[in-house]
Amino acid sequence: GQQLNQSPQSMFIQEGEDVSMNCTSSSIFNTWLWYKQDPGEGPVLLIALYKAGELTSNGRLTAQFGITRKDSFLNISASIPSDVGIYFCAGPPKQGGSEKLVFGKGTKLTVNP
Amino acid sequence: DAGVIQSPRHEVTEMGQEVTLRCKPISGHNSLFWYRQTMMRGLELLIYFNNNVPIDDSGMPEDRFSAKMPNASFSTLKIQPSEPRDSAVYFCASIAGYTGELFFGEGSRLTVL
Repeated sequence: GQQLNQSPQSMFIQEGEDVSMNCTSSSIFNTWLWYKQDPGEGPVLLIALYKAGELTSNGRLTAQFGITRKDSFLNISASIPSDVGIYFCAGPPKQGGSEKLVFGKGTKLTVNP
Repeated sequence: DAGVIQSPRHEVTEMGQEVTLRCKPISGHNSLFWYRQTMMRGLELLIYFNNNVPIDDSGMPEDRFSAKMPNASFSTLKIQPSEPRDSAVYFCASIAGYTGELFFGEGSRLTVL
C-alpha cells in the first residue's frame, strides 16, 4: 500500500529554535494532514491542507502542501517545551478522497528548556 | 462534548487469554476506525466501519483479531487468543463524513506476557 515517509525520525532542539520536518510519498495525495501526539494520548489534528501549493498557519505552526502533491512540510517557530511530542503526517491514499487515512511513522520532537 | 471513549486504558494479560477492547465514538460520527501503534510499525489501520458496517478490514493481522460495531455508539476489538506480539497501544477514532479530522481516543495499552 501507499506509504508516507517522514523525516527526520527524531529531533532534539533548544527552546526558542525553529523546527522543520517533512513528509513525502511516491504517489499523489489530494489532502495532507498534520497531527500531533502528546505522550500518553491520541493524535490530534493540527493543520489540514487541501490544495497543491497551499500554505496554512496555525499559531506558530506553518504547513505547506507541495506543488508536486507528493510532499508536505511542517514548520514550528520559536519552539517551547509543550511542543514536545510526535508529529505525524497523514493523508487519504485514494484519488477522490477517502475516510481512510495513511499515517507516516512520525517525527519525535524533544525540546530542551 | 465527550470525545472518543476507550476502555480499558491499560490491560495486562497472559498469552492465550482473550482480550476485548471497547470504544464509544463521538455522537453523530458515522465512521469508526481501529488503529494499532507500535514503535516498529507506527500507526497501523486495522479496520474501519461506516454506518456500523465494516468497510475495510485488510489491516487486521490475523484471524485472532475480530471487530464488531453492533450500533452507532459502540464498537469492540477482540483478540483471541492473545500473543506477546500483540502488545501495543490500540486507538479508536471517529469522524463525521470526510473532513480529514479524525478524533482519537486516549488509547488502550495492551501488554501480553
